[in-house]
Amino acid sequence: AQSVTQLDSQVPVFEEAPVELRCNYSSSVSVYLFWYVQYPNQGLQLLLKYLSGSTLVKGINGFEAEFNKSQTSFHLRKPSVHISDTAEYFCAVRGGGNTPLVFGKGTRLSVIA
Amino acid sequence: NAGVTQTPKFQVLKTGQSMTLQCAQDMNHNSMYWYRQDPGMGLRLIYYSASEGTTDKGEVPNGYNVSRLNKREFSLRLESAAPSQTSVYFCASSVSSRFSVPYGYTFGSGTRLTVV
Repeated sequence: AQSVTQLDSQVPVFEEAPVELRCNYSSSVSVYLFWYVQYPNQGLQLLLKYLSGSTLVKGINGFEAEFNKSQTSFHLRKPSVHISDTAEYFCAVRGGGNTPLVFGKGTRLSVIA
Repeated sequence: NAGVTQTPKFQVLKTGQSMTLQCAQDMNHNSMYWYRQDPGMGLRLIYYSASEGTTDKGEVPNGYNVSRLNKREFSLRLESAAPSQTSVYFCASSVSSRFSVPYGYTFGSGTRLTVV
């Protein structure tokens, strides 16, 4: 079975500063990793995904994540955040085939002006 | 381009009442899912349907039933609502196959349910 741990429940950061949201996973099989963003009172939107190939994955809104198999991590980064990035971010993992997505508990990113 | 549509958006129920949350997708996806979101708990899977005609339990199925009416529609029913079922419910869909690389999900905008 897969599981995901998001290491920080809340991350405050000043505007234009860099940010890293941490995610560790556990799985006994090949994994596929995702980051989703949820803006206030909205559904979830896919930011980026790692399926195979290059371990550095670029997503929307300037976010990127690096898959590290030896450390079982998939941390999300952005070099310079904006007020509009204030949202909750979810890391998720799934195995192959029809296995459902398993979500972490989320990290609330607050960007301070 | 509606994507995943959930109805209703808001609902207040009394303890013991029943209701059905509706979900429909127009992307020809074969798999559909119901999650609940609670503060500090992330999203937890209630039930899913890998393909039309099949349903499976997720992490928190107790107190819920589902029906995969056809390829487009997947409903979630609360037979006797309890305050512990107060939550935001999300439906999602995806293209899934035993033989293909998994894709991400497309989510609906959610149903905010309060049980008093």
